Amino acid sequence: DAKTTQPPSMDCAEGRAANLPCNHSTISGNEYVYWYRQIHSQGPQYIIHGLKNNETNEMASLIITEDRKSSTLILPHATLRDTAVYYCIVRVPSGNTPLVFGKGTRLSVIA
Amino acid sequence: GAVVSQHPSRVICKSGTSVKIECRSLDFQATTMFWYRQFPKQSLMLMATSNEGSKATYEQGVEKDKFLINHASLTLSTLTVTSAHPEDSSFYICSARGGGTYSNQPQHFGDGTRLSIL
Repeated sequence: DAKTTQPPSMDCAEGRAANLPCNHSTISGNEYVYWYRQIHSQGPQYIIHGLKNNETNEMASLIITEDRKSSTLILPHATLRDTAVYYCIVRVPSGNTPLVFGKGTRLSVIA
Repeated sequence: GAVVSQHPSRVICKSGTSVKIECRSLDFQATTMFWYRQFPKQSLMLMATSNEGSKATYEQGVEKDKFLINHASLTLSTLTVTSAHPEDSSFYICSARGGGTYSNQPQHFGDGTRLSIL
C-alpha cells in the first residue's frame, strides 16, 4: 500500500506556480521522497527526489518539511504540457525495493 | 537522462496468443527491473521484480506461469503473456533502476505497451 496521501485533483492557471502537496507522516528515517508524473497513455516520468534537504532541478523544486512528514512539489511556471497525474512516493534505498504507486494528484493546467 | 525503451507500444491479437514485450535500458545497466500493469483510470500495480540472471519475484495474485519474465542481461528484460485472454488486456509498463544494492537512484520507465486481446 502507498504510504502517501495526495489530493485527488488540482487546477492551476497557465504561467503560475503549481504547488502539489503530499503527506507522508509515517515516513522512516532512511526513506526518500520521489515525485513522478504520468501524462495520459505514457509511462511515468521521473521528476525529482530528496531525503531531507530541499532539492531543485530543471523541472521542479521539492520542499520537504523539517519533520519530513510532508513535502511539496513546485512547478514554477506551469504550462499546458504539465497537465498530468503526479505521484508522490516514499522508498527505502534498497536495490530491489520497487516504487509503490498511490492514486496521485491529477493536475489540470488551464489556459 | 536515463532512457528505457519498451517495444512494442501496442499489440492487438486473438485470444490464446502469446505476446512478448521487450524492455531495454539504453544508456545504463539495470541491476533491477520491474513490471507494472495499469487498468483504465487506475494507478500502476506492480507485477514482478527481477534481477539479472535470477528468477523474478512476483506479487501476490500474479500468476508466474502466465506472465513469464526473463532478465537475461543488464540491459534487457522481457515479459511474455502466455495464452492471453481478454481479461489480460491492459497497459503494461516496464521500469529499470541502476546503481548498487543501496542505491537511491530513481526508477526510469518505458512508454508502456497497450495490449488488447480480442
